[in-house]
Amino acid sequence: NAGVTQTPKFRILKIGQSMTLQCAQDMNHNYMYWYRQDPGMGLKLIYYSVGAGITDKGEVPNGYNVSRSTTEDFPLRLELAAPSQTSVYFCASSYVDDTQYFGPGTRLTVL
Amino acid sequence: GDSVTQMEGPVTLSEEAFLTINCTYTATGYPSLFWYVQYPGEGLQLLLKATKADDKGSNKGFEATYRKETTSFHLEKGSVQVSDSAVYFCALTGAVGGGADGLTFGKGTHLIIQP
Repeated sequence: NAGVTQTPKFRILKIGQSMTLQCAQDMNHNYMYWYRQDPGMGLKLIYYSVGAGITDKGEVPNGYNVSRSTTEDFPLRLELAAPSQTSVYFCASSYVDDTQYFGPGTRLTVL
Repeated sequence: GDSVTQMEGPVTLSEEAFLTINCTYTATGYPSLFWYVQYPGEGLQLLLKATKADDKGSNKGFEATYRKETTSFHLEKGSVQVSDSAVYFCALTGAVGGGADGLTFGKGTHLIIQP
C-alpha cells in the first residue's frame, strides 16, 4: 500500500512553460485535493474532487487546471508557468471521515 | 470565511520541557479540528484530531482538546524530545461543507528541541 504518490519530486520551469504534476492514491479514496505551500505559510487549497468526473475550485485556482478521470489519479496542470507559481505542491486524499493523507510533495521553481 | 490562527515560531525548547502550541479558529458551524506535523523534506502527517466539542485527541504523547467556548485547540506535550522537532499545523474542516471541500490551515509553528 503506497498511499499517496507524487511525481516529480523537483522541477524547474521557465516562464511560459507548461507541465503536469502527477498524483495517485491506492487507498480507494473518493476525495482528492491539491494544495500549495508557500514559505512561512500554511497550505492553501487549489482544487479538489469528490469523485471521478467531478472537480471544483478551491481558494487559489487561478493558473491551474485539474481532471479526474479515475478514482486513483488527480493530475494538476500548469499551462503558462509564472514566478508566482513557485511553491511546494501537495496532493492529498481522504475517505469519508475528514482525515486527509498527504503525498511527499513536488517542489516547483519557475524562473 | 473560516480561519485558523496559531502562535508564531520558531519555538525553541530544551529536551524534556513542557510544550504548548496555541491554536484558535473562526468557523461557522461545527468544524472538525486537526493537528498535522511536517518533518523536514516530507509531506504532512496527521498527528491527532477531534470532531466535536470537548473531544480530546491524543497521539505519541501529544494531546489537544476541542474547546468550543474558547474556539481553541491547543497542542500540548508533557516532555518533548529532539525527534519532535518539526513544523506543526493546526487545521479545520467540515464547518459547512462536511469535509469534502478541503482543510483550512494555520501558518504553522516551527518547533526546535535542543538536547
